[in-house]
Amino acid sequence: EPEVTQTPSHQVTQMGQEVILRCVPISNHLYFYWYRQILGQKVEFLVSFYNNEISEKSEIFDDQFSVERPDGSNFTLKIRSTKLEDSAMYFCASRGEYEQYFGPGTRLTVT
Amino acid sequence: GNSVTQMEGPVTLSEEAFLTINCTYTATGYPSLFWYVQYPGEGLQLLLKATKADDKGSNKGFEATYRKETTSFHLEKGSVQVSDSAVYFCALDKAAGNKLTFGGGTRVLVKP
Repeated sequence: EPEVTQTPSHQVTQMGQEVILRCVPISNHLYFYWYRQILGQKVEFLVSFYNNEISEKSEIFDDQFSVERPDGSNFTLKIRSTKLEDSAMYFCASRGEYEQYFGPGTRLTVT
Repeated sequence: GNSVTQMEGPVTLSEEAFLTINCTYTATGYPSLFWYVQYPGEGLQLLLKATKADDKGSNKGFEATYRKETTSFHLEKGSVQVSDSAVYFCALDKAAGNKLTFGGGTRVLVKP
């Protein structure tokens, strides 16, 4: 069964450093998303991507964040200068006919 | 804007007990409704869905019915197992391609 994959599973970085989180969505899906979940809190939407451009973004998704689909398979989230409060689990998702399928997540720890 | 409200946990049950997790939503139009489950240390898995009023989603013994008149999508299971211990999230989306809006999650702990 096709699935969304994410790498790395855990990333530790120092405050102010850039990080890139990678995702491979399900191959025939057209909509892609990033969400995050701060430990013990609800899952929050960051950004959606369709037809090679951002279709919607939340207020969390400020100028420090960017997304890219550099080739036909990968979908990346870049945080330019990480802050302590960026520590969270980041989930990538892609959408089929009705529902979104989530990857296993990348745990980002900013020290 | 859209919002989803779930009953707060944790919910602690004995094996074979009946489980209900309440979920209500606020949205204009006719959203699709979902339950996702997050097992310890894992990502989000779609448990079930309903795309229109009066639809019943079901999977792995869990059920939820889309009630537009009460704007609810309560999750039920008749006899829980220890392996059902997880965090359950209710969610909605307004239209195809739209973001998911999640409730706060309900932690369920099933004891043998």
